[in-house]
Amino acid sequence: NAGVMQNPRHLVRRRGQEARLRCSPMKGHSHVYWYRQLPEEGLKFMVYLQKENIIDESGMPKERFSAEFPKEGPSILRIQQVVRGDSAAYFCASSPPPQGITGELFFGEGSRLTVL
Amino acid sequence: AQKITQTQPGMFVQEKEAVTLDCTYDTSDQSYGLFWYKQPSSGEMIFLIYQGSYDEQNATEGRYSLNFQKARKSANLVISASQLGDSAMYFCAMRESFNFGNEKLTFGTGTRLTIIP
Repeated sequence: NAGVMQNPRHLVRRRGQEARLRCSPMKGHSHVYWYRQLPEEGLKFMVYLQKENIIDESGMPKERFSAEFPKEGPSILRIQQVVRGDSAAYFCASSPPPQGITGELFFGEGSRLTVL
Repeated sequence: AQKITQTQPGMFVQEKEAVTLDCTYDTSDQSYGLFWYKQPSSGEMIFLIYQGSYDEQNATEGRYSLNFQKARKSANLVISASQLGDSAMYFCAMRESFNFGNEKLTFGTGTRLTIIP
């Protein structure tokens, strides 16, 4: 399966713990995007990364959230000291280097975080 | 202000009928792209169709077509001959400014479509 791979699919944390969500983009894709979907809402952009660079983090909460996309390995979305309001589905999407206009994003199946 | 507005929280449609899902958008950009995604109960996001702001013809992909009315800033999704498997959440999304390489999308709140046998 050459699609966008996210893990874990489901994660349960207690308040105050840390959550780490991983995303491996499609083969050949160097751009990764993280989105958050609260229950019964649409997806909200969080951050856009290329290898070793954060390009756009305008949707990231100022505190407790961080993201990285190292030279080797998956992209990581890290949430420190989780609170109940962080319970959501977190989607990763990837796109290839710019080569056309359509620019379709390829989404993973999401990681569902539940904070108790 | 809402950039993407989907005014139908839920719709029920008889199998085999056509259905139109509404989407209006707000942007001051001249170059933008409009997308529709399907999210079944399993949760994944499935790309359906794309319309560029400069495309003169409405986009079509199989049973999906996009009714693009630029002056009215609407980009409605039309599904012909609906099937039970079409039951899902449908999201309209927009990418503003062909900021080459940045595929950041703004999503609407979605429409839950239920197909009745």
